[in-house]
Amino acid sequence: AQRVTQPEKLLSVFKGAPVELKCNYSYSGSPELFWYVQYSRQRLQLLLRHISRESIKGFTADLNKGETSFHLKKPFAQEEDSAMYYCALSINNAGNMLTFGGGTRLMVKP
Amino acid sequence: NAGVMQNPRHLVRRRGQEARLRCSPMKGHSHVYWYRQLPEEGLKFMVYLQKENIIDESGMPKERFSAEFPKEGPSILRIQQVVRGDSAAYFCASSQDRKYEQYFGPGTRLTVT
Repeated sequence: AQRVTQPEKLLSVFKGAPVELKCNYSYSGSPELFWYVQYSRQRLQLLLRHISRESIKGFTADLNKGETSFHLKKPFAQEEDSAMYYCALSINNAGNMLTFGGGTRLMVKP
Repeated sequence: NAGVMQNPRHLVRRRGQEARLRCSPMKGHSHVYWYRQLPEEGLKFMVYLQKENIIDESGMPKERFSAEFPKEGPSILRIQQVVRGDSAAYFCASSQDRKYEQYFGPGTRLTVT
């Protein structure tokens, strides 16, 4: 069965510092990978997906099939980036159900 | 578009009672997904429904849990004879099609006393 691991429950950085939120997955096929974000008192929302190869709010994520990783990166963190971040995976032709990691809380200090 | 709506937002039930959670998908969306988040854990898939059909219920506990998405009205997640371990946040998501982005509701926080 597929699995998503986010090794850090909490990541604390200062404003302007680089950020990397780690995500590793296990699945023998070719999954689709996502990053979801939940800001305080807001609902979960899609941040980016690997197939679109976009940069959203300065965040990027590259799928590394060799290392089975999909780490989320931003060169200069902002205070408004403070939120819960969830990495998720879906399997093609499997109804698009999402398998989530445990989440990482990012705190950006002034 | 008001987005995915869930009600109630908070639900308190005593052990042995029934809990009914409702989810109204976004306008034009006919695919609904239910996820459960236990304390300190990530969201876990429970069930995937289309109008009047259960497509995948591989994440649903075998007993006491059921879900429906009727032709008219919201999707319902029903938990019979609740136990303390059912206390969690239950999230609903909807999508236009199985290959499209899922939009999440605000969740229902169930507390079993």
